[in-house]
Amino acid sequence: GAVVSQHPSWVICKSGTSVKIECRSLDFQATTMFWYRQFPKQSLMLMATSNEGSKATYEQGVEKDKFLINHASLTLSTLTVTSAHPEDSSFYICSARGYLAGVGEQFFGPGTRLTVL
Amino acid sequence: LAKTTQPISMDSYEGQEVNITCSHNNIATNDYITWYQQFPSQGPRFIIQGYKTKVTNEVASLFIPADRKSSTLSLPRVSLSDTAVYYCLVGGPSFSGNTGKLIFGQGTTLQVKP
Repeated sequence: GAVVSQHPSWVICKSGTSVKIECRSLDFQATTMFWYRQFPKQSLMLMATSNEGSKATYEQGVEKDKFLINHASLTLSTLTVTSAHPEDSSFYICSARGYLAGVGEQFFGPGTRLTVL
Repeated sequence: LAKTTQPISMDSYEGQEVNITCSHNNIATNDYITWYQQFPSQGPRFIIQGYKTKVTNEVASLFIPADRKSSTLSLPRVSLSDTAVYYCLVGGPSFSGNTGKLIFGQGTTLQVKP
């Protein structure tokens, strides 16, 4: 299957700082990318849907000013956690799909572990 | 998006066949059924997808009855490395106008014992 990468794989930051996570589709053009958050022992929670060249669509309850998403190219989307606090510590996962992709053609990145001290 | 219901956990032993059933009573006509596997601290990995009847690939089989209100993922002869969380999702492909977003349910934690 297609490859999606995330960088960094883990990050530790101080409370109040901002952290940027990158999601890249390595061998296909991702017209749509999705960002998820997963707390320990819980399922993935969809945060937002990002289409290339347009503003992200956030799920209910997700603060768009807190979690800034940019999808400026067909191979790169970024998630910036602004003014991070300990409660933002979580596992962040992105996924990507190409134009006219089938349901199973959504590929997930390896995830980024964020720890806010 | 159709809601899915799965058992929270299952135990099995190496070499056994494991069947995980998922209920999706409100599945739409153009929805497909997709199963993902997730290991700790990793992103989900696609296992299998189907629309109706039976689908088989090199790692699993998917059984879907005629009414499509449920589906069963079958893992033949599991090994310790199959210990993971398995998610059942339903949704339509992008060419049907669907956004493609996947809403994950609680999943089934499969524990394979030696």
